[in-house]
Amino acid sequence: DTEVTQTPKHLVMGMTNKKSLKCEQHMGHRAMYWYKQKAKKPPELMFVYSYEKLSINESVPSRFSPECPNSSLLNLHLHALQPEDSALYLCASSQTVAEYEQYFGPGTRLTVT
Amino acid sequence: GENVEQHPSTLSVQEGDSAVIKCTYSDSASNYFPWYKQELGKRPQLIIDIRSNVGEKKDQRIAVTLNKTAKHFSLHITETQPEDSAVYFCAAEYGNKLVFGAGTILRVKS
Repeated sequence: DTEVTQTPKHLVMGMTNKKSLKCEQHMGHRAMYWYKQKAKKPPELMFVYSYEKLSINESVPSRFSPECPNSSLLNLHLHALQPEDSALYLCASSQTVAEYEQYFGPGTRLTVT
Repeated sequence: GENVEQHPSTLSVQEGDSAVIKCTYSDSASNYFPWYKQELGKRPQLIIDIRSNVGEKKDQRIAVTLNKTAKHFSLHITETQPEDSAVYFCAAEYGNKLVFGAGTILRVKS
């Protein structure tokens, strides 16, 4: 399996909801990333996990809570989001953080109402 | 600071012509420079990359050049085809992360 998969493809949530995004890879990669992408903008790094440990948090608000249950899975828990958090959320993985070829999943299109 | 500048922001070429997109970076310690292609509604896809110990790399119609002294790198697409139309992002490695340029919308007119 040479792909990064993400579920769900689309998500609509209210500002008081709690939801989770899921990312999975079976390439044996030990680094996983969450990015946020607004329309016509580049991906913006949120979190980096290295060997299941959080290694970078780009000052992301606490309403976004990442979790790495095992080396293949990465979750992003969402709570009390704002409409401006509506975006495409991309997961990526690489062999390690020092081997920089990152492969992206298809993303979750999130709309906060 | 961590900065990658990318030009132009939009580029229109006739099918069969060449396209060149340029990026500059700020940290001389950066060693890895990938290029991603993102079609509308799709994921960014790694199309080519270059490391600092190499000045040029080619893959069929795509090439990337790197000038470490000037801290800039460029993507060259020859014999462009309509399916090359997409947004292209350059990136540079800063520590254990990639910082992306703002993107170039490439339109190939047939």
